[in-house]
Amino acid sequence: DTGVSQDPRHKITKRGQNVTFRCDPISEHNRLYWYRQTLGQGPEFLTYFQNEAQLEKSRLLSDRFSAERPKGSFSTLEIQRTEQGDSAMYLCASSLFQGSGADTQYFGPGTRLTVL
Amino acid sequence: AQTVTQSQPEMSVQEAETVTLSCTYDTSESDYYLFWYKQPPSRQMILVIRQEAYKQQNATENRFSVNFQKAAKSFSLKISDSQLGDAAMYFCAYRRTQGGSEKLVFGKGTKLTVNP
Repeated sequence: DTGVSQDPRHKITKRGQNVTFRCDPISEHNRLYWYRQTLGQGPEFLTYFQNEAQLEKSRLLSDRFSAERPKGSFSTLEIQRTEQGDSAMYLCASSLFQGSGADTQYFGPGTRLTVL
Repeated sequence: AQTVTQSQPEMSVQEAETVTLSCTYDTSESDYYLFWYKQPPSRQMILVIRQEAYKQQNATENRFSVNFQKAAKSFSLKISDSQLGDAAMYFCAYRRTQGGSEKLVFGKGTKLTVNP
């Protein structure tokens, strides 16, 4: 299966610790998106990359959050000094943008973060 | 800002029957894309169907079809011949066309139960 993969699938951490999540997109997809989904809500956009460039960031992405996609392939999302409010499912999606039209976003299984 | 509203937190349907999930959205744009995503329990989100706003013809994918009413800003999903595997959270999503944010804006979702 060559879908979007995310690692780890579950992460439990203590408040104040740093955590890092990884997303591997579908091969050859040039766009990569991060969303956050809390219980009972739809996903909320955090940021996205086209190749290695981070083109858009949500106001939800506070200074404690940073995302990278250094070689235009996999991406990492780091949360520093975690807070209980950061507990959520972090979803990654990738797409192939070819210059026009809406690229379909394919989602990974998510990383569920629990902050104690 | 664009918003997406799903007014039915939960719906249920008998196996083999038809069910319609509602979605309304708010935008000042004239061209955009609309999507329905399905999120089965503990599994990743998958695209069910998409609609380009400039197309008058309603999209159809096998047992799934939409009723797109642009003037009313309504985008409902009809599932025919419901199957047990259709049980999931269904999210309606909006996306601008090029020249703006590339993010998907999701509703809060509708939980669909299929009764045998």
